[in-house]
Amino acid sequence: SAVISQKPSRDICQRGTSLTIQCQVDSQVTMMFWYRQQPGQSLTLIATANQGSEATYESGFVIDKFPISRPNLTFSTLTVSNMSPEDSSIYLCSVFLRGVTDTQYFGPGTRLTVL
Amino acid sequence: SQQGEEDPQALSIQEGENATMNCSYKTSINNLQWYRQNSGRGLVHLILIRSNEREKHSGRLRVTLDTSKKSSSLLITASRAADTASYFCATDAMDSNYQLIWGAGTKLIIKP
Repeated sequence: SAVISQKPSRDICQRGTSLTIQCQVDSQVTMMFWYRQQPGQSLTLIATANQGSEATYESGFVIDKFPISRPNLTFSTLTVSNMSPEDSSIYLCSVFLRGVTDTQYFGPGTRLTVL
Repeated sequence: SQQGEEDPQALSIQEGENATMNCSYKTSINNLQWYRQNSGRGLVHLILIRSNEREKHSGRLRVTLDTSKKSSSLLITASRAADTASYFCATDAMDSNYQLIWGAGTKLIIKP
């Protein structure tokens, strides 16, 4: 299994500002994902962030709005840029561990409110 | 990552009763997984069932998979107040590059 931490756990931000969310994993993993979960909704994949390559963004998400860094196998950041109230969501990072369980493990999430 | 469908959207039962949630999906899969989420926090992996399996148990959880109908069910027996959460199914499709396709989720409330 993997233990994942996220910082900050929550934040309230002003419109037009940016927030960087950190994701730290207790083991080296190649595949990491960033998700958004809007209130009362399911998860929507923002991007796949594999170490050693550029992040791959899903339809509707662009690098200028959600830049991602993946400097090593245990850490990643997601920045939510030029925020608007529509960006208010929970942001989750997850890692994929291939093996017996082929499971994604999730961080506790970052609850973002944009005023 | 298009969503599969789950039903019901919400389920409220008395403590001690069994809870059944259903999930349908659209494409061929490698496996199907169930996750639990408490109050908008991170997701906890519950159980994984592979495409060549039909039923799997873990404690009070029972998962079935019918690949001919592209559907799965999660049964929680003898429910407890602590089972109150949202439950999501997610499929690892065969051509997905390990991305999961998520259901819409079922919000389960266990009344004491």
